[in-house]
Amino acid sequence: NAGVMQNPRHLVRRRGQEARLRCSPMKGHSHVYWYRQLPEEGLKFMVYLQKENIIDESGMPKERFSAEFPKEGPSILRIQQVVRGDSAAYFCASSPGQGALGYGYTFGSGTRLTVV
Amino acid sequence: DQQVKQNSPSLSVQEGRISILNCDYTNSMFDYFLWYKKYPAEGPTFLISISSIKDKNEDGRFTVFLNKSAKHLSLHIVPSQPGDSAVYFCAASAPGNQFYFGTGTSLTVIP
Repeated sequence: NAGVMQNPRHLVRRRGQEARLRCSPMKGHSHVYWYRQLPEEGLKFMVYLQKENIIDESGMPKERFSAEFPKEGPSILRIQQVVRGDSAAYFCASSPGQGALGYGYTFGSGTRLTVV
Repeated sequence: DQQVKQNSPSLSVQEGRISILNCDYTNSMFDYFLWYKKYPAEGPTFLISISSIKDKNEDGRFTVFLNKSAKHLSLHIVPSQPGDSAVYFCAASAPGNQFYFGTGTSLTVIP
């Protein structure tokens, strides 16, 4: 998974705190996708961003969750007032274009969020 | 609503034999399909893809078959090796849309 950098790898937050997850896409990639994997479930799409634009946020919970991909710097997934149900692995993927044909996305190693 | 389904959560196969992982989808607009492999504590890595204009794609030990009428695809690994032990996800996409993933199948290849 070299190239897509996610940090932190592990994040522990108490209920009610804020969680910030960072994703730096591969060099040359301008499309970023966030997925969440809950225990015993598959990867669930959350949001698709290009630089400074949210393209598709149909998978984002309506409250407490937000994402950005500024002109400079990494993409940030922000979860406010975390609850135990937010505990999951959050994966970021990047591509040079929409679903780069032949190779799909390149995924990061994920951030494992634990809410205590 | 789970548009991509992997109904077998786990599979065990002897080394050297064939592994067959299955995936079903419901959206007839899906035209591009991928298989990803995931080791514990790592992100998924791309394995093989197939577009809807084909019914088979082969890459070394890995072959993906697509049956559009049945909305079914499968991944064949032959011969299976212990290093193939991982969770395998299938994913599907409609034109201009994001990928939907199945829940994964955990493959164990027994030496």
